[in-house]
Amino acid sequence: EAGVTQSPTHLIKTRGQQATLRCSPISGHTSVYWYQQALGLGLQFLLWYDEGEERNRGNFPPRFSGRQFPNYSSELNVNALELEDSALYLCASSLRGIVNQPQHFGDGTRLSIL
Amino acid sequence: GENVEQHPSTLSVQEGDSAVIKCTYSDSASNYFPWYKQELGKGPQLIIDIRSNVGEKKDQRIAVTLNKTAKHFSLHITETQPEDSAVYFCAASLSGGYQKVTFGTGTKLQVIP
Repeated sequence: EAGVTQSPTHLIKTRGQQATLRCSPISGHTSVYWYQQALGLGLQFLLWYDEGEERNRGNFPPRFSGRQFPNYSSELNVNALELEDSALYLCASSLRGIVNQPQHFGDGTRLSIL
Repeated sequence: GENVEQHPSTLSVQEGDSAVIKCTYSDSASNYFPWYKQELGKGPQLIIDIRSNVGEKKDQRIAVTLNKTAKHFSLHITETQPEDSAVYFCAASLSGGYQKVTFGTGTKLQVIP
């Protein structure tokens, strides 16, 4: 069974530009989550998508946005990039259910802002 | 909202010794507690999880204990091996489909051969 896949592996941008990160969940998983992991820090929750809808959002500005497609894959868009946006962006997927399901992570996209 | 504290931030043990990582959570409604291992250049990998109706769970050399009254849970790794060296994260999550997981700040475990 293929795991969560993310692309690209690395992305280099300059301040003010826009970045698009992509995620394909495990087959059968309908929920996709995005996290930001700054160097040496923990995981900060960004967004949760399920069945094509944004279900929950972390404490991040509106320039962080995304969407989920009918095949449950997802995009994270970051507009007006700032230096502090440099981080590893992790995507996770899970089954949807009343009882919390384990989240399974991809290996992330390393976003570097110059 | 939920707050998860994790200790220690770094831990060095000799190969073969045991390692213990402790976490506390603030929201008594949290009822799902996964643990993740993150190796260099990789995403976090789920290694074990426990739900609030269970006090202890084991999987080979790894065990997790949960004390709901004190709102703390711990990861125990026995007979450590060099390949156990990684960053470990605890997490806490509410039920009801909210699916929002709050992570601890991580413990860097070094197993010395």
